[in-house]
Amino acid sequence: AQSVTQLGSHVSVSEGALVLLRCNYSSSVPPYLFWYVQYPNQGLQLLLKYTSAATLVKGINGFEAEFKKSETSFHLTKPSAHMSDAAEYFCAVRSPNTGNQFYFGTGTSLTVIP
Amino acid sequence: DGGITQSPKYLFRKEGQNVTLSCEQNLNHDAMYWYRQDPGQGLRLIYYSQIVNDFQKGDIAEGYSVSREKKESFPLTVTSAQKNPTAFYLCASSLTGPNTEAFFGQGTRLTVV
Repeated sequence: AQSVTQLGSHVSVSEGALVLLRCNYSSSVPPYLFWYVQYPNQGLQLLLKYTSAATLVKGINGFEAEFKKSETSFHLTKPSAHMSDAAEYFCAVRSPNTGNQFYFGTGTSLTVIP
Repeated sequence: DGGITQSPKYLFRKEGQNVTLSCEQNLNHDAMYWYRQDPGQGLRLIYYSQIVNDFQKGDIAEGYSVSREKKESFPLTVTSAQKNPTAFYLCASSLTGPNTEAFFGQGTRLTVV
């Protein structure tokens, strides 16, 4: 079965500081991985996705993530946090081994301190 | 513009009533999903459908029902059998290929009064 673990349900960073949100997956075959962002009372919006074309993936709003097979990780980073980055972030995995369902982590709430 | 639309945005239900949440997409996606979101629990899959007239239970299907009579529509009924229905409900759709992402609606917040 697929699973996704997001370490740290709450992360706080200062404005301008590095953002690092962690995601580890378990899969018997290399999966497809996604990061989503959710603002209060809204749906999820795709930030970026890994589909095996390149291990370093660039997304919207200055975010990027690196797929590391040896560590089964897909951590999300942004060099300099902005106040508008405050939101909930979800990592998700999808694999043909499990009927192409999406499996989501429990989310990380990012707070940006001015 | 292509997208996925959920309605209503807010819904209030009396105990013992069934309510239906609407989800419509014009993205020509075969797969559609319903998730429930509670604080600190992430997204939990209620039902999903990969083709018209077929759907499968997710992890928390008890107390819910769905139909998929049209490709564009995947309504969710919250029945009186659902003991704790107050939550934020999200509908999503996607292509069936594993390297494609899910597109989400704006959600419906259901409150039992």
